[in-house]
Amino acid sequence: DAGVTQSPTHLIKTRGQQVTLRCSPKSGHDTVSWYQQALGQGPQFIFQYYEEEERQRGNFPDRFSGHQFPNYSSELNVNALLLGDSALYLCASSLDVAETQYFGPGTRLLVL
Amino acid sequence: DQQVKQNSPSLSVQEGRISILNCDYTNSMFDYFLWYKKYPAEGPTFLISISSIKDKNEDGRFTVFLNKSAKHLSLHIVPSQPGDSAVYFCAASAASAGGTSYGKLTFGQGTILTVHP
Repeated sequence: DAGVTQSPTHLIKTRGQQVTLRCSPKSGHDTVSWYQQALGQGPQFIFQYYEEEERQRGNFPDRFSGHQFPNYSSELNVNALLLGDSALYLCASSLDVAETQYFGPGTRLLVL
Repeated sequence: DQQVKQNSPSLSVQEGRISILNCDYTNSMFDYFLWYKKYPAEGPTFLISISSIKDKNEDGRFTVFLNKSAKHLSLHIVPSQPGDSAVYFCAASAASAGGTSYGKLTFGQGTILTVHP
């Protein structure tokens, strides 16, 4: 039973560029949440998708957008990258919105 | 506004002894609490959770205690093993639909646990 998978594992971009990160949830899970973890901090909630809709959103600008596909996989898009967007981006899946979330290994994004 | 706080950045214990990690929260809407362990270059791994209707939950060497009146929870690891060395995060969410904390996890800053052989 595959757990949560994310791609790519690492990414280097320059300021102003756009990036797309991908996530496949754990088998049987239908809810995907995205988090940003800066160095030395706990993960910060970006948004959550359920039934292909954004259900909850954290305190992140509109440059951060997402999508959930019919197979429950998800993408996180960040436009107009800033240096401060450099972080570990974590995807978590759960069975339904309020159940325990299981995390993937993350995508390390570096913005130069 | 830090709604979940882990006030100890690090903790060092001897193998075989008890590790106690603490967490405080301020949002009274939180009713579901979790502990995650994180190794470098990996995502957080779920350890144990507790609902606000309980005050204790055990799973093997791990026990979580919840004191709702004090808005405080703790994770006890007994006995501690060198493989337990990692960063531990507590997280909280609200299971009540419609609230702003529904389904989303709010994390503390983490505590680095080091277990010495």
